[in-house]
Amino acid sequence: DIQMTQSPASLSASLEEIVTITCQASQDIGNWLAWYQQKPGKSPQLLIYGATSLADGVPSRFSGSRSGTQYSLKISRLQVEDPGIYYCLQGYSAPLTFGSGTKLEIK
Amino acid sequence: EVQLVESGGGLVQPGRSLKLSCAASGFTFSDYAMAWVRQAPKKGLEWVATIIYDGSSTYYRDSVKGRFTISRDNAKSTLYLQMDSLRSEDTATYYCARHGGYNVMDAWGQGASVTVSS
Repeated sequence: DIQMTQSPASLSASLEEIVTITCQASQDIGNWLAWYQQKPGKSPQLLIYGATSLADGVPSRFSGSRSGTQYSLKISRLQVEDPGIYYCLQGYSAPLTFGSGTKLEIK
Repeated sequence: EVQLVESGGGLVQPGRSLKLSCAASGFTFSDYAMAWVRQAPKKGLEWVATIIYDGSSTYYRDSVKGRFTISRDNAKSTLYLQMDSLRSEDTATYYCARHGGYNVMDAWGQGASVTVSS
């Protein structure tokens, strides 16, 4: 199984700050990676797919990047509506595996 | 607008069965692979099973193989998850999700709660 090691587990940042979350894949998964935001009591919402493509309706302050088997989600200017739990997902091979999640809060 | 609406959740005793349904609308259901993803209370997301667009192939995580069956009725635009021999560790919110580009889930239902307890 492909392991997705996500960090940090939690993060507190100020409004307008730049935030970066990373996922390290245990093997090459190409661009078969997505990022999701989940708010309390809600279903996950797709932010990024194909490692770098912005999903429909997602603000441009969200961006994804890849360096080898390390993937990053960047929020360029943290907004009040951005707190939640963020997850990465590899779609390269079954079993599909999620990262363990990053809880993002406003400082 | 893409909509996925799960139903069939509830409280069930260990060893018993439950069947979840997911009614899809707003897209051509028969064009897409579909999945079930679960989330135990206060825990992360866990992929459970996937079925390809025509139902001819299915994939499961090891912990549910032989106990859960994913199926679909394209004429009714409905996805199913038959869960047999349920265990306490199957307690979770179960999400129906659509597979999009790069095999990731691009649309999710609101979730159905399943509690396995005596």
